[in-house]
Amino acid sequence: DTAVSQTPKYLVTQMGNDKSIKCEQNLGHDTMYWYKQDSKKFLKIMFSYNNKELIINETVPNRFSPKSPDKAHLNLHINSLELGDSAVYFCASSQEELGGSEAFFGQGTRLTVV
Amino acid sequence: AQKVTQAQTEISVVEKEDVTLDCVYETRDTTYYLFWYKQPPSGELVFLIRRNSFDEQNEISGRYSWNFQKSTSSFNFTITASQVVDSAVYFCALSEADLKLGSARQLTFGSGTQLTVLP
Repeated sequence: DTAVSQTPKYLVTQMGNDKSIKCEQNLGHDTMYWYKQDSKKFLKIMFSYNNKELIINETVPNRFSPKSPDKAHLNLHINSLELGDSAVYFCASSQEELGGSEAFFGQGTRLTVV
Repeated sequence: AQKVTQAQTEISVVEKEDVTLDCVYETRDTTYYLFWYKQPPSGELVFLIRRNSFDEQNEISGRYSWNFQKSTSSFNFTITASQVVDSAVYFCALSEADLKLGSARQLTFGSGTQLTVLP
């Protein structure tokens, strides 16, 4: 069983489109995250979310929005896609125990905007 | 603000050599957690180890070992007798603890070290 799963694995779309990436975790964790990995492999947090709090990295454009229908899902919606949004997006989850739990990552979604 | 520095961008070694990946961190908190993740060519992120700031005991797991030194704010990772399958990008990461339960704490990653092990 895959612990954290993302769909799709690859996404190619045109500029200006709106797209979503889905994420599901079956670990029973209470916190989920979205990270962005750019072409230089640099990983940066975009959002962290549990049932009490959404923390948004202030550098993330408001075209990006997380949506959590329930504790096991945190989907990423992106409006008006731009070329610079091309990257690999990773979903992750952890069980927050004073911040020390390791995060389990999905396999990543490679987004290409053309 | 927290920061993680991996000064080695790329390292190449020949199989069976030992290799150490450096990680230096900055944080104002006294309670924090350090991690290492591996990203093989297939792209997934694989958790390797977690260490909290109160535990400076070094850890060994098979060919992997970690040296945590608070005095130098370093958390270095050594692979002994490297193998071709160790070729990957290795990330060091930091998470600050929050004493308020329920607060999510994200990881701050270093820029990664690309390790290539040649046959």
